[in-house]
Amino acid sequence: AQKITQTQPGMFVQEKEAVTLDCTYDTSDPSYGLFWYKQPSSGEMIFLIYQGSYDQQNATEGRYSLNFQKARKSANLVISASQLGDSAMYFCAMRDPGNTGKLIFGQGTTLQVKP
Amino acid sequence: DTGVSQDPRHKITKRGQNVTFRCDPISEHNRLYWYRQTLGQGPEFLTYFQNEAQLEKSRLLSDRFSAERPKGSFSTLEIQRTEQGDSAMYLCASRETGGGFDTEAFFGQGTRLTVV
Repeated sequence: AQKITQTQPGMFVQEKEAVTLDCTYDTSDPSYGLFWYKQPSSGEMIFLIYQGSYDQQNATEGRYSLNFQKARKSANLVISASQLGDSAMYFCAMRDPGNTGKLIFGQGTTLQVKP
Repeated sequence: DTGVSQDPRHKITKRGQNVTFRCDPISEHNRLYWYRQTLGQGPEFLTYFQNEAQLEKSRLLSDRFSAERPKGSFSTLEIQRTEQGDSAMYLCASRETGGGFDTEAFFGQGTRLTVV
């Protein structure tokens, strides 16, 4: 069965510095997709970045990049130049291998950006 | 249409009462998902629709839960005889499937249910 593990319950980062949020996954399916979502206190899940298992390069979206290490089954999110508005809960998720599109989420990491 | 909307945002109910939540997805999205999120945890899948057809239900969805998407547009999630364990955030998401298998899902702001 698919599983996502986020081992950092909480992280602090100084404004303007970079931070890495860890995510490891477990799957026996050779084709899979990995997603990162941000959840501010308002509750909405905001899509940040996607990495497909067959993608040759690490995904990047503005200040977000994904450090994808397939052999280690890790998909860490890197946020560069942290801003106060980055303070939120961050979830790593994996697409279920069936054709449902449903997501399996990790437990999340709370990020606090210090001024 | 700027995104997925959910109503109400907050609901407080007494144990044993029935509650109904509504989700309006992004209009061109044919798939709609319901998730439940308890405090400090990631969302857990409950059920999903392809247009008006409910294609999968999680074992988390007990007999007291029912979901509908009657015309393939908005969806409702009803909980009958609520219990304190039902207290959670209920998230709705939608995505299109025509653009490719790995399109991202767009989430609403959720309905926070408190059962007292």
